[in-house]
Amino acid sequence: ILNVEQSPQSLHVQEGDSTNFTCSFPSSNFYALHWYRWETAKSPEALFVMTLNGDEKKKGRISATLNTKEGYSYLYIKGSQPEDSATYLCAFIYNTDKLIFGTGTRLQVFP
Amino acid sequence: EPEVTQTPSHQVTQMGQEVILRCVPISNHLYFYWYRQILGQKVEFLVSFYNNEISEKSEIFDDQFSVERPDGSNFTLKIRSTKLEDSAMYFCASRDYKRGGDYNEQFFGPGTRLTVL
Repeated sequence: ILNVEQSPQSLHVQEGDSTNFTCSFPSSNFYALHWYRWETAKSPEALFVMTLNGDEKKKGRISATLNTKEGYSYLYIKGSQPEDSATYLCAFIYNTDKLIFGTGTRLQVFP
Repeated sequence: EPEVTQTPSHQVTQMGQEVILRCVPISNHLYFYWYRQILGQKVEFLVSFYNNEISEKSEIFDDQFSVERPDGSNFTLKIRSTKLEDSAMYFCASRDYKRGGDYNEQFFGPGTRLTVL
């Protein structure tokens, strides 16, 4: 059974703090890793699709890195804002296009 | 910006009843999916659909489940005889075909919360 784990499960930070969380996935048969941002009552929104070992992608204050050899990806948020509060999901693709999701990290940013 | 829509946002049904969850994928997308999240658990894959047939289904997707694209715009998930354990948030997603293939991001709808009593 392919397992994708995320840590921590939840995180509370102050506005302006930088934060990061981890997604661990099986390193064999890797195709791609997706990061999604999911606010309550809204659609999960794609942040990044990462495919190459050593990939680093950035969107505004959010960036992500990928290590396929050791099976992990980090998501960083620089200078967290209250609007960054959401659940961040990673999802692994290994041989078909179905997404295998992690448990998610719930981030709350306090003003 | 194009988006995936789902109706209803919340459905309450009695055990044993049939339900149909509806989705309108993004119009030029060719690949369609259903996922669900039982409260407190991971989002899990149910089924993928391409070219008017199922491409892949999970163990959860048994004979009680079916999918259909009845009119070229809607994509539906039917549960024939609901069970208590079918209570979950059901997400529809769609994906474009473009260079990058299976890696491409899937666009999700906001979900339908199904409650089976």
